[in-house]
Amino acid sequence: GAVVSQHPSRVICKSGTSVKIECRSLDFQATTMFWYRQFPKQSLMLMATSNEGSKATYEQGVEKDKFLINHASLTLSTLTVTSAHPEDSSFYICSARDIGTDTQYFGPGTRLTVL
Amino acid sequence: GENVEQHPSTLSVQEGDSAVIKCTYSDSASNYFPWYKQELGKRPQLIIDIRSNVGEKKDQRIAVTLNKTAKHFSLHITETQPEDSAVYFCAASRGNFNKFYFGSGTKLNVKP
Repeated sequence: GAVVSQHPSRVICKSGTSVKIECRSLDFQATTMFWYRQFPKQSLMLMATSNEGSKATYEQGVEKDKFLINHASLTLSTLTVTSAHPEDSSFYICSARDIGTDTQYFGPGTRLTVL
Repeated sequence: GENVEQHPSTLSVQEGDSAVIKCTYSDSASNYFPWYKQELGKRPQLIIDIRSNVGEKKDQRIAVTLNKTAKHFSLHITETQPEDSAVYFCAASRGNFNKFYFGSGTKLNVKP
C-alpha cells in the first residue's frame, strides 16, 4: 500500500524556537496533504490542507502565521511551528491523498514537546 | 461545517463476539466515509470505506453500513479477536474538497 513518512518522529525543543516537520509520500504523488493535531486519547483535529504549488488552507482557529505550511513538490509538505510554546506540545500527523482516489494515507506522526 | 459524532467512546467485548460502532454526520453533501484503526502510538490505518452510492460493504470480518437518509453509518466487526483491540475513528468528507472530519473515536477492548 501507499507509504507516508514523517520526520522527525520525536522532537524536544525550548520555548521560542521553531520546529520543522516533514511529510513525504514515498511511492505515490500527492497534490493534497493534510496536517492534523492529536491530543492524548483524543481525535484527530484537522489543522490545514496543504496544496502543491499554492497556499495552504487553514481551519478556523488555526493561526497560519504560527503554523507555516509549504507544499513544494508532489511528494513533500512541511509544517513549521514558529516560536513554539509549551501549549504547542502535541502529536502532529500528516496524511497524503493519492491522486485519483479519495483515500488518505497517514504518516507515523511527530511527537513535539516544548519545554 | 461537518459535525461527526461517534458512539460509544469505549466498548468491551469478549473474544468471538461482535462489535458495532456508530457514527452520525450533519452535512448531507458528505459522500465518502472511511474507518480508521489506530493502535497506541501508531498511525491511523484505513480498514474499510464506503461511498454514498452504496449501502453496505464487507471485507472478511469487517463491514460498514450507510443510511444516507438518516445520515448515519456503522462499523461492524464479527468474531472479534484480541488484535482488534485499538481505537477506531470514523470520518466523513465531501469528495471534491476531501477534508476529513473525524469522529471522537471508540476504544475497543477485546477480552480473551
